[in-house]
Amino acid sequence: LAKTTQPISMDSYEGQEVNITCSHNNIATNDYITWYQQFPSQGPRFIIQGYKTKVTNEVASLFIPADRKSSTLSLPRVSLSDTAVYYCLVGTYTGGFKTIFGAGTRLFVKA
Amino acid sequence: ETGVTQTPRHLVMGMTNKKSLKCEQHLGHNAMYWYKQSAKKPLELMFVYSLEERVENNSVPSRFSPECPNSSHLFLHLHTLQPEDSALYLCASSQDTGSSPLHFGNGTRLTVT
Repeated sequence: LAKTTQPISMDSYEGQEVNITCSHNNIATNDYITWYQQFPSQGPRFIIQGYKTKVTNEVASLFIPADRKSSTLSLPRVSLSDTAVYYCLVGTYTGGFKTIFGAGTRLFVKA
Repeated sequence: ETGVTQTPRHLVMGMTNKKSLKCEQHLGHNAMYWYKQSAKKPLELMFVYSLEERVENNSVPSRFSPECPNSSHLFLHLHTLQPEDSALYLCASSQDTGSSPLHFGNGTRLTVT
């Protein structure tokens, strides 16, 4: 199982772009990289998933370098409502039973 | 609302009680999961069901007993719990147990007194 390392916390201001980097040095060939967002007393919510290069959807972008040993979640123009914990997961069964959630990154967006 | 629904949202039970947590998914998914989230700890996977068959049991104490009668419903039966079992219990589903993303419910906040 690939272990992930993320910053414990980050602060930002409204309107800024936030980049959260996750290290996963022992990622396997078949592993996908998935990011989730969690608000207090709610279940995590899927944000984005990728395998290599760049993936973009309506809420975020995911940048994955060629060696895939890290990945960066980019949140454009954050708002107060983006204050949450963000989890990076790596695994072949990223939707399932081989997935291990780490401690995540607590993002605090200030006005 | 579509998605994953968990009931009850809050539950307080004594150590000698028996209770059950319920999860229902309206997404047509084939895999369902129970996770435990204790205060200041990462989510811990408890059980995984794929097409109604249990495929993973991560050394969970027998006082937690899962049941998956069909692909849309998942239960977690609780008996003789300990205070340290107090936590947020989250249900999730996914299309399959491959790389499909997890869809979580909002959990049941359990307090064992």
